[in-house]
Amino acid sequence: DTGVSQNPRHKITKRGQNVTFRCDPISEHNRLYWYRQTLGQGPEFLTYFQNEAQLEKSRLLSDRFSAERPKGSFSTLEIQRTEQGDSAMYLCASTGDTAGETQYFGPGTRLLVL
Amino acid sequence: AQSVSQHNHHVILSEAASLELGCNYSYGGTVNLFWYVQYPGQHLQLLLKYFSGDPLVKGIKGFEAEFIKSKFSFNLRKPSVQWSDTAEYFCAVNARYGNKLVFGAGTILRVKS
Repeated sequence: DTGVSQNPRHKITKRGQNVTFRCDPISEHNRLYWYRQTLGQGPEFLTYFQNEAQLEKSRLLSDRFSAERPKGSFSTLEIQRTEQGDSAMYLCASTGDTAGETQYFGPGTRLLVL
Repeated sequence: AQSVSQHNHHVILSEAASLELGCNYSYGGTVNLFWYVQYPGQHLQLLLKYFSGDPLVKGIKGFEAEFIKSKFSFNLRKPSVQWSDTAEYFCAVNARYGNKLVFGAGTILRVKS
């Protein structure tokens, strides 16, 4: 399968713990995006990488959130000191060289903070 | 700031009925428009997209959408729905050379067999 993959698919954690999610984009794609989706809403943009450079961050991305893409391939999204409000589906998408192109989404990581 | 409004959150249809899902966006510049679908238990998949040219675009599984620039609309249509079309449908927009997608809240379609 050459689509976008995400791990883990599900994560249950206790409030205050740190969690890290991984996204592997489609191999030839150099743009990678993170979105968050809560119940009854569409996905909301969090951040975007072009290769290893993080070029845009949403105001939704508080200082407890950090994302990296160290070698321009896979990316990680870490949430420190999780809160119940962080419970959501975290989606990763990737696309090729041209801005505005179709974004291809992974299956998401569903986070539940108890 | 861009925003997307989807008119109905829940739609229930019988098989063979016609479908139209409304989508309006707010943005002053040139945009790319998308409809994504999420079938139960699956991830978001592209249904169709409009970048430029013919404002009537055709996608997979018999879906089509029409871009009406004057109305800032991109409504999704299908002449005859099937039970397998039961899914959540999301309209999304990004600026022509932009990066982030802005999504509507989604429309849950249930097709009764």
